[in-house]
Amino acid sequence: GNSVTQMEGPVTLSEEAFLTINCTYTATGYPSLFWYVQYPGEGLQLLLKATKADDKGSNKGFEATYRKETTSFHLEKGSVQVSDSAVYFCALSSNQGGKLIFGQGTELSVKP
Amino acid sequence: DTEVTQTPKHLVMGMTNKKSLKCEQHMGHRAMYWYKQKAKKPPELMFVYSYEKLSINESVPSRFSPECPNSSLLNLHLHALQPEDSALYLCASSRDAAGANTEAFFGQGTRLTVV
Repeated sequence: GNSVTQMEGPVTLSEEAFLTINCTYTATGYPSLFWYVQYPGEGLQLLLKATKADDKGSNKGFEATYRKETTSFHLEKGSVQVSDSAVYFCALSSNQGGKLIFGQGTELSVKP
Repeated sequence: DTEVTQTPKHLVMGMTNKKSLKCEQHMGHRAMYWYKQKAKKPPELMFVYSYEKLSINESVPSRFSPECPNSSLLNLHLHALQPEDSALYLCASSRDAAGANTEAFFGQGTRLTVV
């Protein structure tokens, strides 16, 4: 079946450090892949997406590339800010009526 | 407008109460979803409505009753809940529920506490 595996958190970084959050997936067919971000006390916001192999999604300095050969969609940012502190969820769209399959989430804490 | 609006933001209810959560979107999306999220966990799908018809029920207890009055509105009726049902309830919508390209937009959620 479909599944998403993310690196466990929490991840603690200093401001301006480089961020990588690993995400790998198992899926049949060709799913779309997403990164969602959840700030404390809020709902989920779509951060970026990729719909086919080798696509790169990017937004607000974050990037992720859809790698079919390694079944990965790692999230990266060159220089994190305190305001990036949040929980990040990797997700794929299954072929099951719109259902999103989420990873466990990675909590990021950025210190000044 | 890429907004999904949920009301109320917070709700405290007793185990014998009946309450409803509401969700609205004006993006012309034809699929709407209810998810339940416990603290520090990913959202868990509860229900999917596609073109105003219930298409997925993830074996949710009958004390949760969804309703889709029209293509813009989604309700979740609550009755005789248990304390373990306390969670963040998230509504989402997407262009449709068919195929793999279903980008979902989420509301801010309703924080439900059952006492």
